[in-house]
Amino acid sequence: EVQLLESGGGLVQPGGSLRLSCAASGFTFSSYWMHWVRQAPGKGLVWVARIYTDGGSTGYADSVEGRFIISRDNAKSTLYLQMNALRADDTAVYYCARETRGSEDYWGQGTLVTVSS
Amino acid sequence: QSALTQPPSASGSPGQSVTISCTGTSSDIGGYNYVSWYQQHPGKAPKLMISEVSKRPSGVPDRFSGSKSGNTASLTVSGLQAEDEADYYCSSYAGSNSFVFGTGTKVTVL
Repeated sequence: EVQLLESGGGLVQPGGSLRLSCAASGFTFSSYWMHWVRQAPGKGLVWVARIYTDGGSTGYADSVEGRFIISRDNAKSTLYLQMNALRADDTAVYYCARETRGSEDYWGQGTLVTVSS
Repeated sequence: QSALTQPPSASGSPGQSVTISCTGTSSDIGGYNYVSWYQQHPGKAPKLMISEVSKRPSGVPDRFSGSKSGNTASLTVSGLQAEDEADYYCSSYAGSNSFVFGTGTKVTVL
């Protein structure tokens, strides 16, 4: 059974940093592109970032480019999102998701990040 | 990376059909056949309902179907059931290793 379990969310002050993790199991993690998607309270889904199987290629939404870094450790079957220079509008539930042929076919349950003083 | 445009709401009675549109540009929907649709119930993670414009993943009822014409994709739910009441989001590959989601549509079963 495919499982994705996010962790690392919490309350952080504006300008601060936070690293999210996503532990994957039930599939060959190193064979799949992976994504981060976020959803602000009461709002819609917003794509955040994507990483190739070996970590050699990444893509970011304009809103996080230069502040967030997506990475992975295939030996640990874990996806990461390093978030720097956090702003109030980064407050959201952050989901990790597996990609298969252009679709996020499995999602975690999400971890809440709150940016507030 | 502007969000794809969806109607805020759609509704239908049980047994009826509802169609949701998703409008983008030639740089996303019109340029690639990587359009997906997701269903999200309150407090839950999204669930993939349609991939690659019109493919249904295993376990998704055949009441759900997808299509695309030009820069607009559509999701049709036929034979509406109470459990179909949820938020629906489209998504498309947008080139340069990026994706974009739609604004979301709340489907109400009357």
